[in-house]
Amino acid sequence: QKEVEQDPGPLSVPEGAIVSLNCTYSNSAFQYFMWYRQYSRKGPELLMYTYSSGNKEDGRFTAQVDKSSKYISLFIRDSQPSDSATYLCAMSHNAGNMLTFGGGTRLMVKP
Amino acid sequence: GAVVSQHPSWVICKSGTSVKIECRSLDFQATTMFWYRQFPKQSLMLMATSNEGSKATYEQGVEKDKFLINHASLTLSTLTVTSAHPEDSSFYICSASTPSGSIQPQHFGDGTRLSIL
Repeated sequence: QKEVEQDPGPLSVPEGAIVSLNCTYSNSAFQYFMWYRQYSRKGPELLMYTYSSGNKEDGRFTAQVDKSSKYISLFIRDSQPSDSATYLCAMSHNAGNMLTFGGGTRLMVKP
Repeated sequence: GAVVSQHPSWVICKSGTSVKIECRSLDFQATTMFWYRQFPKQSLMLMATSNEGSKATYEQGVEKDKFLINHASLTLSTLTVTSAHPEDSSFYICSASTPSGSIQPQHFGDGTRLSIL
């Protein structure tokens, strides 16, 4: 079993839909949780990061962490075709320390 | 802020050539940089952790004599793929983080696409 599980998709939604992306993990020592967006042939771009449990909102993006369930989510409101990319969750024990990535979910937002 | 620049973005070379990839943190000092490898439609695989002024720490299965890492300053780390062969063709990505204790996560470069003929 992988330390971080993420559904690979692809997830196809119509423009304007609310998108829910999720990861589960097995290591309770993870404290920092991140979501990255990666376009084809580009490096990952940091979208959100949170420490411990809770919610964090930034524009159309909301990140949720539930440490008791070892489950994290990223919600995208009013999805746009430009949101079409692969979304990677990542987590670590310490800030700036080695990241453990999920396998990534490929999202397609259709106009 | 937190911009990481990687160069070159794409390189094609003959088998047996050594290729150097640079990773620079442009607006912050990075005591730690990470090198990843990514195959198509797969997630990032950590190759090594590079700390400024000391030897890199390689992940299991990564040949340190094949993938030479130098982190000579707080803003520059280099990865040299020595005597590259077609099986080394991949997408190589670096990231940088700020000193321990900060809450800043890793920031990634745009990757280097390496094609060995």
